[in-house]
Amino acid sequence: RKEVEQDPGPFNVPEGATVAFNCTYSNSASQSFFWYRQDCRKEPKLLMSVYSSGNEDGRFTAQLNRASQYISLLIRDSKLSDSATYLCVVKTGGGNKLTFGTGTQLKVEL
Amino acid sequence: NAGVMQNPRHLVRRRGQEARLRCSPMKGHSHVYWYRQLPEEGLKFMVYLQKENIIDESGMPKERFSAEFPKEGPSILRIQQVVRGDSAAYFCASSLDRLPNYGYTFGSGTRLTVV
Repeated sequence: RKEVEQDPGPFNVPEGATVAFNCTYSNSASQSFFWYRQDCRKEPKLLMSVYSSGNEDGRFTAQLNRASQYISLLIRDSKLSDSATYLCVVKTGGGNKLTFGTGTQLKVEL
Repeated sequence: NAGVMQNPRHLVRRRGQEARLRCSPMKGHSHVYWYRQLPEEGLKFMVYLQKENIIDESGMPKERFSAEFPKEGPSILRIQQVVRGDSAAYFCASSLDRLPNYGYTFGSGTRLTVV
């Protein structure tokens, strides 16, 4: 079983739609959680951290369920510029390494 | 304040040659991380270094790969006798603290192509 699992997609949605991505992680000792965005052939960029209480940043809402080891990202009012691959990322234990999922591809269409 | 700088952006090497990838961390950062992204795969941790020390190299292949972060100058990821399977994007990140709870900022990467 992979440490971080995501549905690869692609998710093709019309502009203005709401779309949700899910991610599961296998290590219950994981401590920190993030969503990154990666555009084609570019570096991953931090979108937002994910907190147990849930957190929101504009059109983006992230949720964490530690009991189910499940992380989600909700994007409201999708824009064409949201088209990218969204990476679920976990930091486990006292180390410094991040474990990346393989990403979920989003395509927002007119 | 410049971000993490990596060079070269693109590197082409023939099989058997050496590849040297450079990473200059953000100003004031003394912790550097290297990740590799193979085609159609997620990023995989390779090595974590602090100035003059390798802290965690659990993701480094056992042979041909080495990394350093000298007291002066950039961190270097060195791949000896490259093979086609080494073709990938190599990303570097840096942090100020030893155990950051925030996500890293990555450099723009070096795309290595082995022909």
